[in-house]
Amino acid sequence: AQTVTQSQPEMSVQEAETVTLSCTYDTSESDYYLFWYKQPPSRQMILVIRQEAYKQQNATENRFSVNFQKAAKSFSLKISDSQLGDAAMYFCAYRIRSQGNLIFGKGTKLSVKP
Amino acid sequence: DSGVTQTPKHLITATGQRVTLRCSPRSGDLSVYWYQQSLDQGLQFLIQYYNGEERAKGNILERFSAQQFPDLHSELNLSSLELGDSALYFCASSGTGGAAIGETQYFGPGTRLLVL
Repeated sequence: AQTVTQSQPEMSVQEAETVTLSCTYDTSESDYYLFWYKQPPSRQMILVIRQEAYKQQNATENRFSVNFQKAAKSFSLKISDSQLGDAAMYFCAYRIRSQGNLIFGKGTKLSVKP
Repeated sequence: DSGVTQTPKHLITATGQRVTLRCSPRSGDLSVYWYQQSLDQGLQFLIQYYNGEERAKGNILERFSAQQFPDLHSELNLSSLELGDSALYFCASSGTGGAAIGETQYFGPGTRLLVL
């Protein structure tokens, strides 16, 4: 079965500090894509960052970066210089290349303390 | 703003009723996905349409159905509603429906359904 596990239901970080959200996934496929989506209180799903499994280089988007460990099937998200606006639910997701749908983890609720 | 629109934003109805949720994809996107977000099940894929045809099915109940029209907007029909159908229903769209490398799905704001 294809699954995504986010082991941290809740995390907290001090403003301007760094936090890492964990994600592991299980698939027998070799060609797939990984994503982190953010869901603020407005409930809108916003793409934060994505990673192609065939790329060894970790993706980076401004203050957001990932640590992709393909052999370990691990895909963690690092948020640097945390801001109050980063407070949200964060969902890890993946899809295999031959399918269009995303498979999501249960999410991690991130709180940012001023 | 993702460019994906969904109507209505909120819907309150009674058990046994039928409702229709509407989604307009981003301009140029051919593929539409429907997802359900509930407290107990999390985010689950329901169904995908590509250029008017069903492409993939996920955990969609038989009481639910969807279609995509020639203008590419999509409707999700939920019938014989039960309390457990209360959830946030998202529509997402993408360009070609998953065949393109690195294709990203853009989500609409969702329709919050409350079944009483």
